[in-house]
Amino acid sequence: AQSVTQLDSHVSVSEGTPVLLRCNYSSSYSPSLFWYVQHPNKGLQLLLKYTSAATLVKGINGFEAEFKKSETSFHLTKPSAHMSDAAEYFCVVTFYGGSQGNLIFGKGTKLSVKP
Amino acid sequence: GAVVSQHPSRVICKSGTSVKIECRSLDFQATTMFWYRQFPKQSLMLMATSNEGSKATYEQGVEKDKFLINHASLTLSTLTVTSAHPEDSSFYICSARVSSNEQFFGPGTRLTVL
Repeated sequence: AQSVTQLDSHVSVSEGTPVLLRCNYSSSYSPSLFWYVQHPNKGLQLLLKYTSAATLVKGINGFEAEFKKSETSFHLTKPSAHMSDAAEYFCVVTFYGGSQGNLIFGKGTKLSVKP
Repeated sequence: GAVVSQHPSRVICKSGTSVKIECRSLDFQATTMFWYRQFPKQSLMLMATSNEGSKATYEQGVEKDKFLINHASLTLSTLTVTSAHPEDSSFYICSARVSSNEQFFGPGTRLTVL
């Protein structure tokens, strides 16, 4: 069965320090992977996506993620956190086949940034 | 990128009334739209898939008579919460599929049922 696991429900970092949000997936198909950010009471904004091209994907706002097939991981990183990065982050996977919706959401990781 | 809007952004209604939420694709046509529900501090739960010109496909456990979905045009899908109750209070988010594996999300609608 396909699944997505976000290993940390809450991550807290200081402003200016690196950010690491972890995501692992399980699938027998070739996945496409996404990271979305959600600010309070807002919709989802796409940060970046992997669709079988380059394994290191650069997104908006300085975020990037690396697809590692051997580790079935797609961790999100940023070299230096900013206060505006505080939000909820969702790792999302889609697989060919399965339901029409196809998207499988992780439970989310809340990122807090301390001044 | 593609823009999806939702209206209203926030609605408060009395128990027993019906509420309609609109989802529009502003600069593209979407044959398929999706409706999600998000409980506080939780992830998104797919409620149903809305296909233009045909009946929606509901996920297991979602009452189709409770959550009416209409996708009458390539740019508009509506979700009507009928006879709303306080437990229906939630954040409802729609999305529209552009390609086979990418969806663009609306900003969400906060429903509060008193």
